[in-house]
Amino acid sequence: NAGVTQTPKFQVLKTGQSMTLQCAQDMNHNSMYWYRQDPGMGLRLIYYSASEGTTDKGEVPNGYNVSRLNKREFSLRLESAAPSQTSVYFCASSPRHRGGQPSQETQYFGPGTRLLVL
Amino acid sequence: AQSVTQLDSQVPVFEEAPVELRCNYSSSVSVYLFWYVQYPNQGLQLLLKYLSGSTLVKGINGFEAEFNKSQTSFHLRKPSVHISDTAEYFCAVSARGYNFNKFYFGSGTKLNVKP
Repeated sequence: NAGVTQTPKFQVLKTGQSMTLQCAQDMNHNSMYWYRQDPGMGLRLIYYSASEGTTDKGEVPNGYNVSRLNKREFSLRLESAAPSQTSVYFCASSPRHRGGQPSQETQYFGPGTRLLVL
Repeated sequence: AQSVTQLDSQVPVFEEAPVELRCNYSSSVSVYLFWYVQYPNQGLQLLLKYLSGSTLVKGINGFEAEFNKSQTSFHLRKPSVHISDTAEYFCAVSARGYNFNKFYFGSGTKLNVKP
């Protein structure tokens, strides 16, 4: 299993450009997440998808959109990049076991995408 | 909502010394608690988690953490650190009983182990 994979690893954008960050997991997980990590602020949830076909806003959704393309893939789109979106972006996934308590499930993280917006 | 406070942004320690990384949380409901580790230029890996039962939880790489409900704390400890433990450590909380596991992360503690 590759686990959670993210592309690209690095990206430099100019202000106003758009781009899509890709995330895929091969663990048959139901739930997927996008976080951004900024120095001194830990990880903040941008959007999440509890299950295929659903998406919801997290703490910092402004300036982003997401698509849960299928059970495996969850993409994050920046329509018009701004310098404030310079960050490291992590995708994560977690299972949802039949009869289990979802909130106790471990999240599995991808290696991250480093984005610089000039 | 929940929140997590990691008061120490950086902790320097010598190799083979003990270490404690502090984590306090705030929540109006019962919680599950997690510690993750992030090595340079990598994603986060789960170290350990507290779901229920014994308040002392053992994780990978010799780490352990103790859940203290009265003090709303979940401090991470290791009796003897190694150079390879140099990394950033994140405490996280999720609300028990919710139908979805939204995690809230602390701001992280960088552990720097010196020879």
